[in-house]
Amino acid sequence: DAGVIQSPRHEVTEMGQEVTLRCKPISGHNSLFWYRQTMMRGLELLIYFNNNVPIDDSGMPEDRFSAKMPNASFSTLKIQPSEPRDSAVYFCASSFAGEAYNEQFFGPGTRLTVL
Amino acid sequence: QQQVKQSPQSLIVQKGGISIINCAYENTAFDYFPWYQQFPGKGPALLIAIRPDVSEKKEGRFTISFNKSAKQFSLHIMDSQPGDSATYFCAVPGGGTSYGKLTFGQGTILTVHP
Repeated sequence: DAGVIQSPRHEVTEMGQEVTLRCKPISGHNSLFWYRQTMMRGLELLIYFNNNVPIDDSGMPEDRFSAKMPNASFSTLKIQPSEPRDSAVYFCASSFAGEAYNEQFFGPGTRLTVL
Repeated sequence: QQQVKQSPQSLIVQKGGISIINCAYENTAFDYFPWYQQFPGKGPALLIAIRPDVSEKKEGRFTISFNKSAKQFSLHIMDSQPGDSATYFCAVPGGGTSYGKLTFGQGTILTVHP
């Protein structure tokens, strides 16, 4: 398997623009997680899905952030409008929630810079 | 909201030395405690994890020690190597409606000098 695939790997945009990050989880996994990593705040869980259904979005910073999972093999994280403080590395991870001890497999991340 | 406190924030050791990273948590639904390792430019990856029936788990040079009464667990890296230089995260699982969720510590940047 190719692992978790994220695109783009790098994104530079201007404040106010819409940004869409994409994720393809590992085939057969039924849980998907979006994280944000910054030096100040570490690794934060933004939202996660089980069987394509959002379970916990309490980490989504504000209404500018939205996430969808239209099917088991694709998810998006959208920021509209983007702000400089959104600059971070965004990770997508997937796992098989078949037991309590499920390993999360992370993608390579998208480095977002908002000017 | 699960709180996970990891220390130290950064650690510098000489090659061959022992690296120790600690993690404390408030509560957990399951006694399962993983450590993730992250190299620059990469996503975190599972390094080692301990499950409820043991107080210590060893895999090669990496050992997890777990103290349930103190709600603490630690990662020990024996004979540290420059290739171990990375950021290490502890994590604690959620339960109930947070089933499958992991809350990560703040991370420890480990530098091993040759």
